[in-house]
Amino acid sequence: DTEVTQTPKHLVMGMTNKKSLKCEQHMGHRAMYWYKQKAKKPPELMFVYSYEKLSINESVPSRFSPECPNSSLLNLHLHALQPEDSALYLCASSTTDYNEQFFGPGTRLTVL
Amino acid sequence: GNSVTQMEGPVTLSEEAFLTINCTYTATGYPSLFWYVQYPGEGLQLLLKATKADDKGSNKGFEATYRKETTSFHLEKGSVQVSDSAVYFCALRPSDGQNFVFGPGTRLSVLP
Repeated sequence: DTEVTQTPKHLVMGMTNKKSLKCEQHMGHRAMYWYKQKAKKPPELMFVYSYEKLSINESVPSRFSPECPNSSLLNLHLHALQPEDSALYLCASSTTDYNEQFFGPGTRLTVL
Repeated sequence: GNSVTQMEGPVTLSEEAFLTINCTYTATGYPSLFWYVQYPGEGLQLLLKATKADDKGSNKGFEATYRKETTSFHLEKGSVQVSDSAVYFCALRPSDGQNFVFGPGTRLSVLP
C-alpha cells in the first residue's frame, strides 16, 4: 500500500461544531504532517509528528488539535473554527522527518 | 533563510509544446530539491527529485537538473499534453533537516 488516505473528502461545519479529520498510511512511515492550503497558495505546515510524538507546532491556534493514536493514524480535531479556516487540509507522511513526503488527497473544509 | 522562487503563472501552452518552469532557490549547504504536481481537486504528488548537485530527476517525460552553480532546478518537458494541466510546486528540503520550503506554485494550462 503506497498511499495516504484522508476522510472525509469534503466537510461543511458551523462555527460551534466539533469535527475531526482522519489520515491513514500503511507504508511504515514514522513521520506524519498536517498542512493547510488556501486557494492558489502553497501548503502551509501546521503540525509534525515524529514517532507518534508532536515535534512541530507551527503556532497553530488551539481550535486545531492534532492527535496521533498510532504510527499509521493521524487525526485533526476541529472546534470553534472561523470562516477563515476554510481551506484544503492535507496530510502527508515520510519515512522519517522531512524526507520526501507523500500527500493524501486532502479534505476540503468549509466553515459557515 | 531558505526560500524558493518560481516563475509567475499562469502558463498557457498548446498541446505538444515545449515546457519550461523556472525554479531558483536560496539555501545553505546542499538541500534536496523536489517538484510536486497538484491536479485540480487533488493533493500533491511527487513528480521528481534530486538530492545532490548535477543529479537529474525524471518522471513521466518531465526532467529537472540540480544546478548548484545557478541555484536552479528548472522543470522541462518536451511535449506537453492536456492532461498535464495542473499546478506545479518546486520545493526544497534544507540540508539541516528542517521544514520543507515550497515555492508559490505555477499554474499550467495546456490547450488542445
